[in-house]
Amino acid sequence: GNSVTQMEGPVTLSEEAFLTINCTYTATGYPSLFWYVQYPGEGLQLLLKATKADDKGSNKGFEATYRKETTSFHLEKGSVQVSDSAVYFCALREETSGSRLTFGEGTQLTVNP
Amino acid sequence: EPEVTQTPSHQVTQMGQEVILRCVPISNHLYFYWYRQILGQKVEFLVSFYNNEISEKSEIFDDQFSVERPDGSNFTLKIRSTKLEDSAMYFCASSQHKNTEAFFGQGTRLTVV
Repeated sequence: GNSVTQMEGPVTLSEEAFLTINCTYTATGYPSLFWYVQYPGEGLQLLLKATKADDKGSNKGFEATYRKETTSFHLEKGSVQVSDSAVYFCALREETSGSRLTFGEGTQLTVNP
Repeated sequence: EPEVTQTPSHQVTQMGQEVILRCVPISNHLYFYWYRQILGQKVEFLVSFYNNEISEKSEIFDDQFSVERPDGSNFTLKIRSTKLEDSAMYFCASSQHKNTEAFFGQGTRLTVV
């Protein structure tokens, strides 16, 4: 079956530090990959996505590249801000077998001033 | 900006009681979902709903669970006889089409005592 594994958290960084949150996946087909973010007190919001190998998703300074050879979709940001403090979820969706999302564990990011 | 809204934000119930979690999806969306996250664990898919019927469900979604769209705006999840292990954050989501972006509500935290 499908699964997503994220790096263990929580992650604490200083403002302007470089961020990487690792995500690897297992899928039987050709999934689309997503990063969702959950700010305190809010729902999950789509941050970025990639639908095929070598695609790069980007939004708000965050990037992730769909790497089929390493089955990874690591999230990166060059310079984090305090406002980036949130929980980040990696997820996949098998486009040929329904619309369910399979999520990773979530990674809590705290950015200190 | 349209959003998915969930009520209540927190519900406490006694073991064995029935609970109904409520969601108002985005008005022009056709696909509706429930996910849950037990504390410290992954966000898990429960069920998807389209055209007034369940289109997909996970192994978690057993006979104690049911979903309904009682009118043109609400989408509910009913747990018939709650167990301690049903304590979790429950997220509702909706999407316009099967493979388009899913928008999530802020969640209902269910505590079974």
